[in-house]
Amino acid sequence: DSGVTQTPKHLITATGQRVTLRCSPRSGDLSVYWYQQSLDQGLQFLIQYYNGEERAKGNILERFSAQQFPDLHSELNLSSLELGDSALYFCASSSRQGVGYGYTFGSGTRLTVV
Amino acid sequence: AQSVTQLDSHVSVSEGTPVLLRCNYSSSYSPSLFWYVQHPNKGLQLLLKYTSAATLVKGINGFEAEFKKSETSFHLTKPSAHMSDAAEYFCVVSDLWNNDMRFGAGTRLTVKP
Repeated sequence: DSGVTQTPKHLITATGQRVTLRCSPRSGDLSVYWYQQSLDQGLQFLIQYYNGEERAKGNILERFSAQQFPDLHSELNLSSLELGDSALYFCASSSRQGVGYGYTFGSGTRLTVV
Repeated sequence: AQSVTQLDSHVSVSEGTPVLLRCNYSSSYSPSLFWYVQHPNKGLQLLLKYTSAATLVKGINGFEAEFKKSETSFHLTKPSAHMSDAAEYFCVVSDLWNNDMRFGAGTRLTVKP
């Protein structure tokens, strides 16, 4: 157990729907990062939050949004889902705003859009 | 901006033989470098990290990597492969204080009995 908890582990939904993925960071970690991993795109950075504020944005679609709550858990919202959104979504956390100390990853949420 | 290139998409070794997974990096500043491992249907686990201390870094499960600035390389090695080492390995580069962590495309390691 890495200490980063992601729920649900698996999600199957239809095109056009909206889903919410949840992440609880490791105790004491203030930074949360979201990644998408697909076969054709590899591991893509989506967005980072630090202590409730957005800090960095990567290749995140406008249909996707995220937030980090006062208790530091984070949610990634995916809307108007398309078949191509099927992927593994990882959350990672770190203790500092910078990344020189590495991330701790959760086990991921596998999203299947049908 | 930093980037990382994993030179082999797939490496196959026999159990008990050495493992070498190659990684070259590009960075404008003093980089931090990491190796992560991902077993099937699992999250990514940190194997080891280099953050400007000793150039030979020892990680978990017998893996180690050597930072070579002159060659801009950070290759991952293990003296003797075990079946449980079969996984995807990612080389990662970042600057020490920014938020930009760049992952390589990954190297799939297969271990034959």
